Amino acid sequence: QQQVKQSPQSLIVQKGGISIINCAYENTAFDYFPWYQQFPGKGPALLIAIRPDVSEKKEGRFTISFNKSAKQFSLHIMDSQPGDSATYFCAPNWSHSSASKIIFGSGTRLSIRP
Amino acid sequence: DGGITQSPKYLFRKEGQNVTLSCEQNLNHDAMYWYRQDPGQGLRLIYYSQIVNDFQKGDIAEGYSVSREKKESFPLTVTSAQKNPTAFYLCASLRDGGYTFGSGTRLTVV
Repeated sequence: QQQVKQSPQSLIVQKGGISIINCAYENTAFDYFPWYQQFPGKGPALLIAIRPDVSEKKEGRFTISFNKSAKQFSLHIMDSQPGDSATYFCAPNWSHSSASKIIFGSGTRLSIRP
Repeated sequence: DGGITQSPKYLFRKEGQNVTLSCEQNLNHDAMYWYRQDPGQGLRLIYYSQIVNDFQKGDIAEGYSVSREKKESFPLTVTSAQKNPTAFYLCASLRDGGYTFGSGTRLTVV
């Protein structure tokens, strides 16, 4: 089974700081690298995603950095806010596959202290 | 708005009872999934379906069953064979690598 390793397991950041979450994968055939955000009692929602033809994508305060050679991608949250407190999951996979056993990272519980 | 609708939001099951969780989508996605999430844990795959009348076991299929008679619907039955069913259940559809999740059903054994 393909491995996806997410780190850290939990993270506490002061308001206004930068939160960084990492995801390492094994399968070099993956071509879609998303991050999902989940609030307590809710389903995960797609936050931001990147394809391997670019090394970075920014949407507001959220940035994905992609390192193809290292088989890693990271989520950066700039100017972190208490409303960003949630659990974040990565789930690298194949965008061309209609269905497969997509593996999620184990999740990172992020807490932003006011 | 297109999306995934799960019902009920909360469900209570007695010992030895089968219960069915509903999942409906209007996104016209072919692939649908069921995940289980335990408190503070990640997502574990129960079953998934690529097309109507076809489905595959995930990593923790024992004690669960599914059907896919319509593209829009993918119900999950938690049978009495599932000894520890208390969890948060999430249904999702997949297209072009991205998931759309429902709001979940919280199942509790009483």
